[in-house]
Amino acid sequence: EDKVVQSPLSLVVHEGDTVTLNCSYEVTNFRSLLWYKQEKKAPTFLFMLTSSGIEKKSGRLSSILDKKELSSILNITATQTGDSAIYLCAVGRWGKLIFGQGTTLQVKP
Amino acid sequence: DTGVSQDPRHKITKRGQNVTFRCDPISEHNRLYWYRQTLGQGPEFLTYFQNEAQLEKSRLLSDRFSAERPKGSFSTLEIQRTEQGDSAMYLCASSIDRSGANVLTFGAGSRLTVL
Repeated sequence: EDKVVQSPLSLVVHEGDTVTLNCSYEVTNFRSLLWYKQEKKAPTFLFMLTSSGIEKKSGRLSSILDKKELSSILNITATQTGDSAIYLCAVGRWGKLIFGQGTTLQVKP
Repeated sequence: DTGVSQDPRHKITKRGQNVTFRCDPISEHNRLYWYRQTLGQGPEFLTYFQNEAQLEKSRLLSDRFSAERPKGSFSTLEIQRTEQGDSAMYLCASSIDRSGANVLTFGAGSRLTVL
């Protein structure tokens, strides 16, 4: 059965800290791995990683896909209180995304 | 285009009643998805459409749940004879099919509370 597992499930840091969120997967017909940020409403898209694009960066956020280890990390440097959210990892196969449970990040001032 | 729209945003109902949610996707998107999310969990796949065809439905989905997408535009998700365990956020998303690597754009969700 397809499975996506994220760790840790929750994390509390202080502003300025660097955090690393983990995602591992066992999914048949892998096509892509996506990271989403969810505040109080809908998940919003951050990155998509595929076999042809295994590393992405946007500002303080970056992500790497390790296809050999079937995993990905999301790094956030110099965290801010606005980074507090649930971070969702999802793996795309034909037709749909399969989500992990999410990592809840709280950034304290 | 204002993104993916869902209606209603909140629905409170009594056990045993039927409820229907509507989703209007981004107009040029040919795929539409329904997910369910409970507190502390990631979104759980329910079903998806490509144009008007329902291509996949979760094995975990009770036959009390039915979804339609007439004419390949908006979609409805109906839950019959609601149970307290149906209480959740129902998320709709849409995408353009690009060789299986789809970025889903989500709506704000419809929160269902079954009393």
